[in-house]
Amino acid sequence: NAGVTQTPKFRILKIGQSMTLQCTQDMNHNYMYWYRQDPGMGLKLIYYSVGAGITDKGEVPNGYNVSRSTTEDFPLRLELAAPSQTSVYFCASSQQMRGSTDTQYFGPGTRLTVL
Amino acid sequence: AQSVTQLGSHVSVSEGALVLLRCNYSSSVPPYLFWYVQYPNQGLQLLLKYTSAATLVKGINGFEAEFKKSETSFHLTKPSAHMSDAAEYFCAVRNYNQGGKLIFGQGTELSVKP
Repeated sequence: NAGVTQTPKFRILKIGQSMTLQCTQDMNHNYMYWYRQDPGMGLKLIYYSVGAGITDKGEVPNGYNVSRSTTEDFPLRLELAAPSQTSVYFCASSQQMRGSTDTQYFGPGTRLTVL
Repeated sequence: AQSVTQLGSHVSVSEGALVLLRCNYSSSVPPYLFWYVQYPNQGLQLLLKYTSAATLVKGINGFEAEFKKSETSFHLTKPSAHMSDAAEYFCAVRNYNQGGKLIFGQGTELSVKP
């Protein structure tokens, strides 16, 4: 059971380039999330998904897109990278059911630098 | 709106001393509260969670936290610090919108001196 895996671990982009951050979970969780963590700050939600084919915006969605075609995968797409997107990105998943405590499990993160 | 405030962005203790990391929350509904630990260059690992079953919650690695509704607090403690406890600690409250997202405090970096 690998849990939540993310690739790549590190990436440097030039301004205006695009890339996709990959996230996969093997726990059959229905909910998945993308957060970003800026220095000295807690994590902020970018996008989330409540199941395959259903996604919605979080607090800071501008400049990002997501899709969820399968239960396992939740890629995050950056179009036209900007220096403000330099951050550490975390993917998380949880199994949410009525009455459950729905703990979120986090991946190891992707460190992205935009120059 | 829900929010979390962690008092002290950096806490330093000696090995063997008590660890106390402070967290206060704001929530209009009964909260689900979490403490996560982040070791350098790693993801977040759940330490413990409060889900209204018991006010004193025991977690991994000897940590525990007490939910105090009257003080809107959920402070994290450990009786005796170990060098391996050096990390960043995040308190979070589960939001009832946006997919149950976690709302995080800004984090507290714990240093342990030999």
